[in-house]
This record gives sequence, C-alpha cells and structure tokens, in this order.
Amino acid sequence: QKEVEQDPGPLSVPEGAIVSLNCTYSNSAFQYFMWYRQYSRKGPELLMYTYSSGNKEDGRFTAQVDKSSKYISLFIRDSQPSDSATYLCAMIMMNRDDKIIFGKGTRLHILP
Amino acid sequence: ETGVTQSPTHLIKTRGQQVTLRCSSQSGHNTVSWYQQALGQGPQFIFQYYREEENGRGNFPPRFSGLQFPNYSSELNVNALELDDSALYLCASSLGWAGPFDGYTFGSGTRLTVV
Repeated sequence: QKEVEQDPGPLSVPEGAIVSLNCTYSNSAFQYFMWYRQYSRKGPELLMYTYSSGNKEDGRFTAQVDKSSKYISLFIRDSQPSDSATYLCAMIMMNRDDKIIFGKGTRLHILP
Repeated sequence: ETGVTQSPTHLIKTRGQQVTLRCSSQSGHNTVSWYQQALGQGPQFIFQYYREEENGRGNFPPRFSGLQFPNYSSELNVNALELDDSALYLCASSLGWAGPFDGYTFGSGTRLTVV
C-alpha cells in the first residue's frame, strides 16, 4: 500500500462549479498536510497547509483534514479556467531529516 | 517570478552517461532539496543539503549524488544514467528547515530525457 493515494484524474468540470480533490494516507505519524498546485512546465507552488483535523479556508480554497479516517480534501469554489492545473497533496512528519511525501497529483480542467 | 533558478531547462542524455544539474537557491536561503518527478507521478525526495552538508536522503541509489557550495547553490549528479532516470528534476530552497511552508520555493525544474 502506498503511503499517499490520489486519483490522477483527469477531472473536468464547468467554470463556476465546486471542485473536490481528495487523498488518503496510511501513516498516522504524518503531522502536516499540504496542497500544491503545479502548472505545466513549472514547479509546484504551495496553496495551503494544515496541521490538525478540521477545515482551513483561504479565499476560494478550503482544505479539510480528517485524521481519524486518514483522509484529506481540497475544495475550490467558483472554479475558474486559470485553476486548470495538477493538484498535489503532500504530507510530512517533521522529523529532523524527514521528507515531503507527495501524492501522484490530480489533473484538473476547468471548462469555460 | 520564482527566486529559484535551475539549469539547464531541458537535457537529452544517452544511457550510461553522467549528468550534472544545477540549482541557484533564492537569495538568503541556505537549504536546498532535490526531487525527481516522473511523468504522471508526484515528486519524490532525493536528498537535502543544509549549509553544504547532506541533511537527509530518500530511497535513491548512490549514483545520485549532490553538492552544495558556499554560496548555497547546489548540483545534482547522476552517474550511469538509466532510461528510468528520465524525469523532471526539481530543486527547492528554504531558510533552514522549518517545514515546507512559507518561503519554501520550488524551481521550474530540469527535464531530463535518457535515450
């Protein structure tokens, strides 16, 4: 079983729709949960990070963590064509030399 | 515009050859991490350098090696290239290691193709 599972998509939704992206994980030692956005031919950029279970909102984006189910989500409201990108979930344990564990990424297309 | 620059942008090498990829970290950053992102996959951690010392390593063989220089720029060297080494190689810089959060910046990567 992979440490982080993410459906690679592609996911196509019409402009203005609410988008839901999800990941599951197997290691309960993960402490921080991140969402990155990656445009074609670019490096990932951090959208949001959370530490505890619950919701965190930033503009049109909401990150949700359920540690009991080992499930994280990213919601995008009022989706725009500029949101079309690959979205990567990522997790980390924050030990001395620990590394970020990324999901495969979900390709998202917002249709005008 | 990102403060992390990587060179070259694209590279084609033959199986068995050696390659060096370069990363200039963002001004003021002293920590560099390298990742390999195969097509359709998420980035995988290769190693991290902090103040010229290796500070952690992922599950990559010894033919993947690195250096960090006094100006905190960094190199990734891969010997005896294999076809599976074809990927986007990303570096990320930060000030110290307080987590991949504020200020942790990825470059746009080097696309390596091994034929």
